[in-house]
Amino acid sequence: VQLVESGGALAQPGGSLRLSCAATGFLFGSYEMNWVRQSPEKGLEWVSSITSDGNTKYYADSVRGRFTISRDNAKKTVYLQMNSLTVEDTAIYYCVKAVAGEASFDYWGQGALVTVSA
Amino acid sequence: EIVMTQSPATLSASPGERVTLSCRASESVSGDLAWYQQKPGQAPRLLIYGATTRATGFPPRFSGSGYGTEFTLTISNLQSEDFAVYYCQQYSKRPPWTFGRGTKVDMK
Repeated sequence: VQLVESGGALAQPGGSLRLSCAATGFLFGSYEMNWVRQSPEKGLEWVSSITSDGNTKYYADSVRGRFTISRDNAKKTVYLQMNSLTVEDTAIYYCVKAVAGEASFDYWGQGALVTVSA
Repeated sequence: EIVMTQSPATLSASPGERVTLSCRASESVSGDLAWYQQKPGQAPRLLIYGATTRATGFPPRFSGSGYGTEFTLTISNLQSEDFAVYYCQQYSKRPPWTFGRGTKVDMK
């Protein structure tokens, strides 16, 4: 299993970024996928989840209305569109695969650094 | 939101020792509790899920116990490669899934 994030960058407050996560080594379309972020201030913070078919999405209160999770099962890729970024969004963003049938996380990407600063 | 509280924040121990890490949930999460190990510069790695089931690749010296609101991770015969930060995470019912702030196990 490999999860490879891309798209991390420096962004200005109020700006946007789109993270991508390319998955290999497992039946991508059968698993829920997640984004989890980590910062020194907040520690590990679950951000968003999307079901295997892409029909149901969940968000942390801190990002709801600003971030959008999506997936393309044909491309084996999950995305996180981040709008209206604030300095509090600065973190390493991990793409994470859920264990079948539950929400523990058995595979993590290497992380994408998002820095929001003027 | 369910708040996860880990203690202690730091635990100093020597190789060969048995250490116990605690994780408390602000409300019952049944057995929907995971532990992760994180080493510097690396992503977290799933260690225990379902409160007691060890993930692939971890030896039997790692064990998890507990149910409801009180959980424990025990490392017996601590090895040098076990010095790391350990996080608990609840995934009960519906999101948001929440993590504790971690326990750092360092060398005495």
